[in-house]
Amino acid sequence: DAKTTQPNSMESNEEEPVHLPCNHSTISGTDYIHWYRQLPSQGPEYVIHGLTSNVNNRMASLAIAEDRKSSTLILHRATLRDAAVYYCILRLGGSQGNLIFGKGTKLSVKP
Amino acid sequence: EPEVTQTPSHQVTQMGQEVILRCVPISNHLYFYWYRQILGQKVEFLVSFYNNEISEKSEIFDDQFSVERPDGSNFTLKIRSTKLEDSAMYFCASNPELPRGYTFGSGTRLTVV
Repeated sequence: DAKTTQPNSMESNEEEPVHLPCNHSTISGTDYIHWYRQLPSQGPEYVIHGLTSNVNNRMASLAIAEDRKSSTLILHRATLRDAAVYYCILRLGGSQGNLIFGKGTKLSVKP
Repeated sequence: EPEVTQTPSHQVTQMGQEVILRCVPISNHLYFYWYRQILGQKVEFLVSFYNNEISEKSEIFDDQFSVERPDGSNFTLKIRSTKLEDSAMYFCASNPELPRGYTFGSGTRLTVV
């Protein structure tokens, strides 16, 4: 399986931007980069995904390195509700779309 | 916003009993999945379902597990002869088309005693 590497935990202050890094050096050309988050006692929640170009949506931005071996999820202004485990996942291009979750990054947001 | 609905939210069953976990995916979605998360551990893929058949399954999804889409709206996971180690949160997910994002349900907490 294509693997990703994320820091175990990060801290942020409320109202400040947060940059969550992810390394995926074994990514292949057809793999999509997905980000999900899981709030305490809830199911995973889709955040954003991309292939080659940077992406923006109402929740976050995804910056993808030119060589695609790393990406960064950007939360523009962290709120207390953004405290969650964030998962960077490669959705394999040749598969039926199964997501292989790692341990993710636990984001804490301080008021 | 459309949701994936799972019932029940919590089920307690005795070891050896059969359980059926139910999910109603988003109506125009084509791909369906079951995942599980044992307390304190990673979310694990169980099975994917497309065009009325299993498309992929993990090693966890052995003969005690089965899935069904009986009526075009429900998507069920059956566990025959439950074991203590089947205790986990079970999440259903659906997807309109690859490679878009998945919508997960809020899960069913299964406790086997």
